[in-house]
Amino acid sequence: RKEVEQDPGPFNVPEGATVAFNCTYSNSASQSFFWYRQDCRKEPKLLMSVYSSGNEDGRFTAQLNRASQYISLLIRDSKLSDSATYLCVVNPRAGNMLTFGGGTRLMVKP
Amino acid sequence: DTGVSQNPRHKITKRGQNVTFRCDPISEHNRLYWYRQTLGQGPEFLTYFQNEAQLEKSRLLSDRFSAERPKGSFSTLEIQRTEQGDSAMYLCASSRPGALVEQYFGPGTRLTVT
Repeated sequence: RKEVEQDPGPFNVPEGATVAFNCTYSNSASQSFFWYRQDCRKEPKLLMSVYSSGNEDGRFTAQLNRASQYISLLIRDSKLSDSATYLCVVNPRAGNMLTFGGGTRLMVKP
Repeated sequence: DTGVSQNPRHKITKRGQNVTFRCDPISEHNRLYWYRQTLGQGPEFLTYFQNEAQLEKSRLLSDRFSAERPKGSFSTLEIQRTEQGDSAMYLCASSRPGALVEQYFGPGTRLTVT
């Protein structure tokens, strides 16, 4: 079993749609959680950290459920520019390596 | 540009040759990480430095791989006797001191072994 699992997609949605991605992780001792965005053939870029209480940044909302070891990302009012791969990322130990899921590909169509 | 930089951006080499990549982290970041990413997969951790000390190495880092950060600033990753399976994007990331901090990635070095 992979340490961080995501549905690879692709998710094909029209502009303006709301889309949700989910991710599960296996290490219950994991300490921090992130969503990164990666455009084709580019480096991953931090989208947002994920806090236990849930957090929102504009059209993006992230949720963490430690009991179920589940992380989610909700994107409202999708834009064409949101088309990318979204990587669920877990830090099993403070300061050390990140463990990435395989990514979920999103394609927003006009 | 004050982000993480990597050189070269692309490297094509023949099997059996040695290659070396360089990473310059964000200046105030004391932690530096190397990852490898193959097509369709998420990045996989290779190794991690805090200042000049290499604190952790993945089992993915075979004996042919060596990384250094001699002055606690830039880092190099060398691959000896390259194999076709080494073809991948090699990503460097850095982070500031402290717990639970975000890592910022460089543009990567794309290695193709022919």
